[in-house]
Amino acid sequence: GAVVSQHPSRVICKSGTSVKIECRSLDFQATTMFWYRQFPKQSLMLMATSNEGSKATYEQGVEKDKFLINHASLTLSTLTVTSAHPEDSSFYICSARDPRGADGYTFGSGTRLTVV
Amino acid sequence: KQEVTQIPAALSVPEGENLVLNCSFTDSAIYNLQWFRQDPGKGLTSLLLIQSSQREQTSGRLNASLDKSSGRSTLYIAASQPGDSATYLCAVDRDDKIIFGKGTRLHILP
Repeated sequence: GAVVSQHPSRVICKSGTSVKIECRSLDFQATTMFWYRQFPKQSLMLMATSNEGSKATYEQGVEKDKFLINHASLTLSTLTVTSAHPEDSSFYICSARDPRGADGYTFGSGTRLTVV
Repeated sequence: KQEVTQIPAALSVPEGENLVLNCSFTDSAIYNLQWFRQDPGKGLTSLLLIQSSQREQTSGRLNASLDKSSGRSTLYIAASQPGDSATYLCAVDRDDKIIFGKGTRLHILP
């Protein structure tokens, strides 16, 4: 089935720095990818929809200048958390859907971000 | 606005029991419904996908049903095992966006 690779799996950064998370579709092309945030023991919250070759669509309440999304190719989307603060510490997960099949959405393994 | 509710929020059962997890959604105009499993600190693993035209899907000890008109889905796990312990998430797909329930945290007691 479709595979989505997410990197890194864990990252610790200092307050004020920026962190980039990559999401790749390994065996299919994804014109659309999705970025989620998950707080402990909570469900996934959709942050934004990443569109290849155009601007991302952000959900209400998500700061687009804080969470920069770039979808420069059909297999790669990146999420950059800019000027990170401790409250940005969370679990971030990306997903995509293989347009060739009917397997639904495939998720990356997630990135645990800790801002100290 | 689509809302997805999962009941119960948490469940502990002895090993070997059969169990049912419930999912309900408010807007029946969905493309499909997907059940996922999430282990602590990990990503999501897709378990079963039910297209809107289907009534159920089966994979091994798992069976998922869908009643679109009533906005309900159930995930049936037969002969539960300690390895089934995880959080189970239900998600509905509409308008190229999926909406998740809050999940059911399942603990199978050895």
